[in-house]
Amino acid sequence: DQQVKQNSPSLSVQEGRISILNCDYTNSMFDYFLWYKKYPAEGPTFLISISSIKDKNEDGRFTVFLNKSAKHLSLHIVPSQPGDSAVYFCAASAGSNYQLIWGAGTKLIIKP
Amino acid sequence: NAGVTQTPKFRVLKTGQSMTLLCAQDMNHEYMYWYRQDPGMGLRLIHYSVGEGTTAKGEVPDGYNVSRLKKQNFLLGLESAAPSQTSVYFCASSYISGGEQFFGPGTRLTVL
Repeated sequence: DQQVKQNSPSLSVQEGRISILNCDYTNSMFDYFLWYKKYPAEGPTFLISISSIKDKNEDGRFTVFLNKSAKHLSLHIVPSQPGDSAVYFCAASAGSNYQLIWGAGTKLIIKP
Repeated sequence: NAGVTQTPKFRVLKTGQSMTLLCAQDMNHEYMYWYRQDPGMGLRLIHYSVGEGTTAKGEVPDGYNVSRLKKQNFLLGLESAAPSQTSVYFCASSYISGGEQFFGPGTRLTVL
């Protein structure tokens, strides 16, 4: 049973527009959420995170929104740039004593 | 400061052969992890370690063994490789268990 789901395997967005990547989770004990970005032939790199005590966290062009009642989070990238083309993974944990649980990833393609 | 490094980057094995993947980190992290990534799936945790001399099973531990004799190194062993172990293997480390993890570049393993 997948506890963290990224239902869109891929997403294509025009350069300069907003990219919205979605992630759903089932475990109500999750209290910390992270987004990672992965380029081909490289390991994932940390992008942004959010604690369950917040509903929004922003870092430059990247904003993560958390809707606890819907068990849903989203990553917004504004404006989208060609270098944003990558696979994006959502991950969640239930406290600092628990391991990260990962989604399957969404491949984002930014079109020029 | 190299971060997390993995050796080797690529390897081809025949069924039944054995090999060891080496992971090293220079960030003085207590926690280290081995993941595998398969197409269409998220990162799946094989084994992890919460400190020097400790190891624990993750989600998919069968067919793998690990050792953490030194804090900076985490070894993943395949005693008798099977085609189902064809995958990309990532090592990661972190300061705390449920927080940001730093990844190595990956090892692409093919078992024929």
